[in-house]
Amino acid sequence: DTEVTQTPKHLVMGMTNKKSLKCEQHMGHRAMYWYKQKAKKPPELMFVYSYEKLSINESVPSRFSPECPNSSLLNLHLHALQPEDSALYLCASSQDSVVAGGPLWNEQFFGPGTRLTVL
Amino acid sequence: KNEVEQSPQNLTAQEGEFITINCSYSVGISALHWLQQHPGGGIVSLFMLSSGKKKHGRLIATINIQEKHSSLHITASHPRDSAVYICAVGDYGGATNKLIFGTGTLLAVQP
Repeated sequence: DTEVTQTPKHLVMGMTNKKSLKCEQHMGHRAMYWYKQKAKKPPELMFVYSYEKLSINESVPSRFSPECPNSSLLNLHLHALQPEDSALYLCASSQDSVVAGGPLWNEQFFGPGTRLTVL
Repeated sequence: KNEVEQSPQNLTAQEGEFITINCSYSVGISALHWLQQHPGGGIVSLFMLSSGKKKHGRLIATINIQEKHSSLHITASHPRDSAVYICAVGDYGGATNKLIFGTGTLLAVQP
């Protein structure tokens, strides 16, 4: 299994709603990522989890709350979002293993994304 | 100036044409990605390379580390190749994997 899955594919929510995005991979990867992508722009990194611990938070507003319950799952909890938060939310994973004498950097595998619309 | 620059930003080609998309970067890297994204869709990793050349089907990617430049070539282009192609580089020496993305090249292949 070499894919990253994301659910739901599409989500429409009001500004007072609470919802969650889910991401799953079964490749044994230990790093997982959330990206936000606005139309015609490159993805922007939001969060990185490494070995189920949050290692990077790119100054994301607290209305976005990530969670990594185990090595295969990554959630993004959404609360009190604004219309400008409407975007494609992409999840990715990578091995994130440091091999002595080898490359630090590993290939990221992306999911299909969740298209979020905030009304 | 962006750390990763792509050219051209937009490209229209006729079916069958040979296509080249260029990427230049200004930071030290561990490796470089070429990614493909269809309209409204997720991202597919086409290549990851740190030296030389890779080929997969009709796609060829090359990188020149000394010149900090990479190219993505598509031979015998087809309308299904129409997509945004994104160059991304690995943040050298970063504590964890962090990609720096180019702004993408929108390719339209007309039948």
